[in-house]
Amino acid sequence: QVTLRESGPALVKPTQTLTLTCSFSGFSLSTSGMSVFWIRQPPGKALEWLARIDWDDDKYYSTSLRTRLTISKDTSKNQVVLTMTNMAPVDTATYYCARIRGSSFPPAPDVWGKGTTVTVSS
Amino acid sequence: EIVLTQSPGTLSLSPGERATLSCRASQSLTNSYLAWYQQKPGQAPRLLFYGASRRATGIPDRFTGSGSGTDFTLTISRLEPEDFAVYFCQQYGSSPPDTFGQGTKLEI
Repeated sequence: QVTLRESGPALVKPTQTLTLTCSFSGFSLSTSGMSVFWIRQPPGKALEWLARIDWDDDKYYSTSLRTRLTISKDTSKNQVVLTMTNMAPVDTATYYCARIRGSSFPPAPDVWGKGTTVTVSS
Repeated sequence: EIVLTQSPGTLSLSPGERATLSCRASQSLTNSYLAWYQQKPGQAPRLLFYGASRRATGIPDRFTGSGSGTDFTLTISRLEPEDFAVYFCQQYGSSPPDTFGQGTKLEI
């Protein structure tokens, strides 16, 4: 069974750096075609794609947030970490991680975590 | 960056009716790596379709995903009460950065 779980601080102060961890099981991010991506959703608003890391360590970022984001993976721990610098109240959102199953065709973004809520406030 | 535009923003229908939701891409999705999700309040999105038309596990056959190139459609043939939710499309995989549409709210 494939599961993903997000963890990190529920509250951060403006200008601080947010570090979120996606811990997963049931697959390996060293398997060809696999990817993990991060998404966020401010209250009452749409989903926003943030970043993605592929099995071969290729990394991709949101155009509007790329200067603030860093994504990395620790294959041995089955974890993907996302950092976002210079947090502001507008970054208050539920943050999700999800995987793309690329081991079959077509690839499928098939499993999501339940999300973790982050509030930015002083 | 590929922009996805969903229409309508809100769709008001009754149970038993047919729903047609649109997702239009600003550039052709040459591999049709287009996904549809359903989201209910307080829940994570649930995958309905991937590869534009491949139904995800456990999705009823009253849901159909179709389209290619720049125009994609999610159709629900006969609405059930549990289908009223927000629906998002996403292009993923082959043309990063991946992006989402702004969503369609399907309301009773």
